[in-house]
Amino acid sequence: ETGVTQSPTHLIKTRGQQVTLRCSSQSGHNTVSWYQQALGQGPQFIFQYYREEENGRGNFPPRFSGLQFPNYSSELNVNALELDDSALYLCASSLGVGEAFFGQGTRLTVV
Amino acid sequence: KNQVEQSPQSLIILEGKNCTLQCNYTVSPFSNLRWYKQDTGRGPVSLTIMTFSENTKSNGRYTATLDADTKQSSLHITASQLSDSASYICVVHSSNDYKLSFGAGTTVTVRA
Repeated sequence: ETGVTQSPTHLIKTRGQQVTLRCSSQSGHNTVSWYQQALGQGPQFIFQYYREEENGRGNFPPRFSGLQFPNYSSELNVNALELDDSALYLCASSLGVGEAFFGQGTRLTVV
Repeated sequence: KNQVEQSPQSLIILEGKNCTLQCNYTVSPFSNLRWYKQDTGRGPVSLTIMTFSENTKSNGRYTATLDADTKQSSLHITASQLSDSASYICVVHSSNDYKLSFGAGTTVTVRA
């Protein structure tokens, strides 16, 4: 158990829909990073939030957006879902750039 | 562009045998290197984390090595067990970057 929880664990959406994924960070951590992991690939960095501000962004389009709340939990929102968005979405929490602890992931399937 | 390359892509070993996974990276300046174990469909779990000054670190039957001069790391699994079947991911953190650079992983299958 890493203390990082993600919800839901699985969901299925239709192309064009919108989805919100949630992450509760480990107690004491102020940084949350989101990753997309396609089958058989390593995780790809989407963005990072530090103290409620976006702290950096990977090569993902604007329809991928996020939030971090005062309790440092976070949301990942994806609009206008495409079939290629089907992946495991991982959230990692850390204290700054310290060791990152991952949640169990949310498996998103877009049909 | 910072990159992390892992080899082999996959391997199959018999229960009780040893194996070694490789990681080469170009991330610079280097801060630390981490090995994670990821079970299928689950989040990665940290095995070891090494800074520039550390060249070996163990966690039970897992031993990681680091050569910061050649930018290479290895993960050695001793006396493999069926539960070691997973993907092992090498992750490197640059000291002037906010994000982690991930390798694609090595999939290890342990057979009885």
